[in-house]
Amino acid sequence: AQRVTQPEKLLSVFKGAPVELKCNYSYSGSPELFWYVQYSRQRLQLLLRHISRESIKGFTADLNKGETSFHLKKPFAQEEDSAMYYCAIIQGAQKLVFGQGTRLTINP
Amino acid sequence: KAGVTQTPRYLIKTRGQQVTLSCSPISGHRSVSWYQQTPGQGLQFLFEYFSETQRNKGNFPGRFSGRQFSNSRSEMNVSTLELGDSALYLCASSERLAGSTGELFFGEGSRLTVL
Repeated sequence: AQRVTQPEKLLSVFKGAPVELKCNYSYSGSPELFWYVQYSRQRLQLLLRHISRESIKGFTADLNKGETSFHLKKPFAQEEDSAMYYCAIIQGAQKLVFGQGTRLTINP
Repeated sequence: KAGVTQTPRYLIKTRGQQVTLSCSPISGHRSVSWYQQTPGQGLQFLFEYFSETQRNKGNFPGRFSGRQFSNSRSEMNVSTLELGDSALYLCASSERLAGSTGELFFGEGSRLTVL
């Protein structure tokens, strides 16, 4: 079954530094991948989806089929980026399955 | 539009009891999905309902069940509660099946503590 793995439970970077949250997936076909974010005391919400190839809040994520990765990147981290980030994949064209999440902390 | 509403927000139960959680989706959304969120396991899929029918189910024991009403509101029930059931239960709604869009709108969750 399709699944995603987020190898880092915790990630801490300084403000202004680049940030990369890792997500690896297992799927032999063309996956549909997403990043969700949960800010402190807010609801879990969709950040971006790979099919849109968009940049949201300065974040981008490129699907790398060769490395089966969908890492989330931002060139210059801001304090308001501190949050819990989840990578997700549509499994079997039926359900959305999430990774275990990475807690990102941006230090001032 | 009002967002996804979950009740109750917090509840405390003892082992062996049962609990029912409620979720009201965004108006017009016909799909409701339930997830269990814990620090150790992250977000785990419980089940999804669409048009009053369970469409998908995760790997949870039969103690976890749910249903959806004609107005798309959904309830989930956990019977014979165990300590390990302590978690934040999240409900999410979408216009179509979650697997067709991947875009879910989440509620704030119901935090269950089992003593």
